[in-house]
Amino acid sequence: AQSVTQLGSHVSVSEGALVLLRCNYSSSVPPYLFWYVQYPNQGLQLLLKYTTGATLVKGINGFEAEFKKSETSFHLTKPSAHMSDAAEYFCAVSDGAGTALIFGKGTTLSVSS
Amino acid sequence: GAVVSQHPSRVICKSGTSVKIECRSLDFQATTMFWYRQFPKKSLMLMATSNEGSKATYEQGVEKDKFLINHASLTLSTLTVTSAHPEDSSFYICSATYGKGDTIYFGEGSWLTVV
Repeated sequence: AQSVTQLGSHVSVSEGALVLLRCNYSSSVPPYLFWYVQYPNQGLQLLLKYTTGATLVKGINGFEAEFKKSETSFHLTKPSAHMSDAAEYFCAVSDGAGTALIFGKGTTLSVSS
Repeated sequence: GAVVSQHPSRVICKSGTSVKIECRSLDFQATTMFWYRQFPKKSLMLMATSNEGSKATYEQGVEKDKFLINHASLTLSTLTVTSAHPEDSSFYICSATYGKGDTIYFGEGSWLTVV
């Protein structure tokens, strides 16, 4: 069964600083990996996903993530944080196309001016 | 792009009553739909997977008699919370996919408050 571990339930950065949100996964098959963002009282918005191919994935709002099979990781980064990036971020894994996503516990990103 | 819509977005019901939440795929045929539950400031917990025309597959620990899921058509799945209690209050989110596509579309979620 798949599982996701997000290291750090809360990450605080200054505006303009690098954002690094960590995600490690466990899967018995080649995984599909996702990052979602959730703003207060709203649904989920897909930031980026990895299915196959290039291991460095670029997403919306300047975010990117790199799939590292040897480290079973899929960390999310952004070079320069904006105040509007403050939100809850979820990493998720699935067994492949058409299967359910299993979510990590989430990381709250705070951005200070 | 593909859109998944949930209705209602917010609902308040009395303890002991049943409430139905709808999940519709607006511009594609959703062969598979998933229902999640999210407690405040917590992660999303997969409740069940439903395939059109089949009985839903529930995750361990989810009461199938309490959370009735129906996927009667390729564009509609419903979650009915029966005999709701305050502890059922939560944010419920559906998602949908079609065929073996690698994209899963999420609804906006539905807030259920049981008083």
